[in-house]
Amino acid sequence: DGGITQSPKYLFRKEGQNVTLSCEQNLNHDAMYWYRQDPGQGLRLIYYSQIVNDFQKGDIAEGYSVSREKKESFPLTVTSAQKNPTAFYLCASTGDRLYGYTFGSGTRLTVV
Amino acid sequence: SQKIEQNSEALNIQEGKTATLTCNYTNYSPAYLQWYRQDPGRGPVFLLLIRENEKEKRKERLKVTFDTTLKQSLFHITASQPADSATYLCALFSGAGSYQLTFGKGTKLSVIP
Repeated sequence: DGGITQSPKYLFRKEGQNVTLSCEQNLNHDAMYWYRQDPGQGLRLIYYSQIVNDFQKGDIAEGYSVSREKKESFPLTVTSAQKNPTAFYLCASTGDRLYGYTFGSGTRLTVV
Repeated sequence: SQKIEQNSEALNIQEGKTATLTCNYTNYSPAYLQWYRQDPGRGPVFLLLIRENEKEKRKERLKVTFDTTLKQSLFHITASQPADSATYLCALFSGAGSYQLTFGKGTKLSVIP
């Protein structure tokens, strides 16, 4: 079955560390997205990519970086510059925005 | 600035009744509006999309209306069941041709047996 796989499900980061969250899709979708969800805040867009080797900043890109070397993969790195990284991170993709976004099951990142 | 507001953070209803959730927006001229369902600890799941020229759309027990004059969408679940308990999110694209989907904060629906 086609879908989006996010890994790991839970991730713990020490202060000052960079961590990378994985997002892989086998839906043949061109566009991929990273959202962050905090309690009471809703989903906020971090980065998005509409095509391989191209990506744009969303509303809260500071302290994050991405790459899009393959159509299937859109990893997100949370750098040490992100001062409050504890959150639930969601990856999504779409082939046609009229058919909605498909989301992964999320990665919960906690700073320890 | 652009804003999407879902008026209720939480809504409790009795099983069998119709749940009605509201989504209001400002400073958008959306061509489409989407609704998603999110269960705790899971990613949102796409439910319905309604176009600006569609007044109403139905899918099984779900009904969505879209009033571009009032800048409002209503999401109805008829004959609600405890399994419908979840958070429901509305979402809009930032502009014509945009691929940036902006979400409301959601309404947490609890259906009481």
